[in-house]
Amino acid sequence: DAMVIQNPRYQVTQFGKPVTLSCSQTLNHNVMYWYQQKSSQAPKLLFHYYDKDFNNEADTPDNFQSRRPNTSFCFLDIRSPGLGDAAMYLCATSATSGLYNEQFFGPGTRLTVL
Amino acid sequence: GDSVTQMEGPVTLSEEAFLTINCTYTATGYPSLFWYVQYPGEGLQLLLKATKADDKGSNKGFEATYRKETTSFHLEKGSVQVSDSAVYFCALSPPPWEGSNYKLTFGKGTLLTVNP
Repeated sequence: DAMVIQNPRYQVTQFGKPVTLSCSQTLNHNVMYWYQQKSSQAPKLLFHYYDKDFNNEADTPDNFQSRRPNTSFCFLDIRSPGLGDAAMYLCATSATSGLYNEQFFGPGTRLTVL
Repeated sequence: GDSVTQMEGPVTLSEEAFLTINCTYTATGYPSLFWYVQYPGEGLQLLLKATKADDKGSNKGFEATYRKETTSFHLEKGSVQVSDSAVYFCALSPPPWEGSNYKLTFGKGTLLTVNP
């Protein structure tokens, strides 16, 4: 089945130690998104790639960066994680060829910062 | 800007009870409307969608009708099950011609707990 895969499902890092989360997709969608979701809150969009074009949300901290080496893969890099960055990180994809923005989500990576 | 307002939770029901989760939106034009469901520890799954006024989205016994006149998209199910326990998010996306079709605006989510 076509899907969005996130690895790892659980990630533990230390305060200030860089961490990378990965996302891959078999849907061949041209848009990929990264969301941060804290407990009991809605997902918050951090940034997205429209094909190779990177689009950062205005309030996304500089500590968060992303790479998309090809259509299938996208990475979220947190350069110096703080305790406040502990959250679920969700990757999603969509195809702009459609008439509406149906986004397909991965299972998420839960990040713990010690 | 666009916004989505959802009924505050948590909602606790007994099995086989009727469910309504209210959702209203503010947006220009004719957005597409969605309900996503998030089971504990999982990502979001699309539950149903509607892309124009008076459309009814339905899936797994859940229904929601796109009401342009009341800017609403309320989620309903006639008989809930324990397995429906999850967080439900209402969301909207602008129409493609507005150029920002790629973004979703979410409500805050409603936690539903169904007891046996």
